Amino acid sequence: GEDVEQSLFLSVREGDSSVINCTYTDSSSTYLYWYKQEPGAGLQLLTYIFSNMDMKQDQRLTVLLNKKDKHLSLRIADTQTGDSAIYFCAETSTNRDDKIIFGKGTRLHILP
Amino acid sequence: DVKVTQSSRYLVKRTGEKVFLECVQDMDHENMFWYRQDPGLGLRLIYFSYDVKMKEKGDIPEGYSVSREKKERFSLILESASTNQTSMYLCASSSHQQYFGPGTRLTVT
Repeated sequence: GEDVEQSLFLSVREGDSSVINCTYTDSSSTYLYWYKQEPGAGLQLLTYIFSNMDMKQDQRLTVLLNKKDKHLSLRIADTQTGDSAIYFCAETSTNRDDKIIFGKGTRLHILP
Repeated sequence: DVKVTQSSRYLVKRTGEKVFLECVQDMDHENMFWYRQDPGLGLRLIYFSYDVKMKEKGDIPEGYSVSREKKERFSLILESASTNQTSMYLCASSSHQQYFGPGTRLTVT
């Protein structure tokens, strides 16, 4: 079946950039998402990108999509303590209706 | 403002009890989902529903059932709770993106 892979842990110093990487297997993906989960909370959509785009920027967040390699990344500039959370990569395709496949999540730890 | 609510944030039940987890959305979405989230395993889809009275099994439906009598409400039922069902349960509803509730942390003792 289709799969989404991401590393489980990333440690970054406050003020540096964080880059969270994700790979997926479905070549017919239409939307790719980044969700953020803060401790004790549900998932919150951070940003998403259509599969016909290769980059999307939103303030401190930059999403890069390499469709050929099926690789998605999320870059957080000037990482703050409030960015400490689990980040989930996810994707869907039109032939799966709204069923989204999630990665296992990357825990971002901020060092002072 | 988009809203998905879950009936409880924390729940403690005994083995063998019947457990109901309720989820309500106010966005008139047709699609609703129940996931469980466990450390190291990410989100796993239990059941989803595309319309009232319609349900589809997800990846791990064993030990669970669901009910969708009204469009806005999707209930997850544990017929006889077991300790391996201790987990965080997340409900979501969707158009093309999924909106999540805050989660219910269920402990079965």
